[in-house]
Amino acid sequence: DAGVTQSPTHLIKTRGQQVTLRCSPKSGHDTVSWYQQALGQGPQFIFQYYEEEERQRGNFPDRFSGHQFPNYSSELNVNALWLGDSALYLCASSPGAKNIQYFGAGTRLSVL
Amino acid sequence: RKEVEQDPGPFNVPEGATVAFNCTYSNSASQSFFWYRQDCRKEPKLLMSVYSSGNEDGRFTAQLNRASQYISLLIRDSKLSDSATYLCVVKLAGTYKYIFGTGTRLKVLA
Repeated sequence: DAGVTQSPTHLIKTRGQQVTLRCSPKSGHDTVSWYQQALGQGPQFIFQYYEEEERQRGNFPDRFSGHQFPNYSSELNVNALWLGDSALYLCASSPGAKNIQYFGAGTRLSVL
Repeated sequence: RKEVEQDPGPFNVPEGATVAFNCTYSNSASQSFFWYRQDCRKEPKLLMSVYSSGNEDGRFTAQLNRASQYISLLIRDSKLSDSATYLCVVKLAGTYKYIFGTGTRLKVLA
């Protein structure tokens, strides 16, 4: 049983570029959340997707957008990258209304 | 004031020691509580949920104090493999987001 998988594992971009990160949830999970974790900090909630809709959003600008597909996989898009977007981006999935979230290994994004 | 606060540490303890971490939360509407463990450059992994009556899982004991708005994690008989960052996580009633503390770093020394 595969856990939460994310791709790519590492990514290097330059300021102003756009990036798309991908996440496949754990089998049987239909809810996907995205987090940003800067060095030395805890993960910060970006948004959550359920039934292909953004169900809740954290304090992130509109440059951060997402999508969920019918197979429950999800993408995180970040436009107009700036240096401060450099972080580990984590995807977490959960089964329906249950609280417990399971995390993928993350995508490490470096913006130069 | 941060929504979830933790002492960043590091806590350096010898093998076999007992160590305790506290975490305070600011919102009384907090509904669910968890401890996650994160190894260096890895993803957070669920250690245990925290229940109102307190709960234990082997060497790990979690407690919740709603009146004082804090949760705690006690690790007994520390192992070298317990070295990690321990993240306190709170979920507010009626929301879907997890609010993480910055984590407490533990180093268990041989």
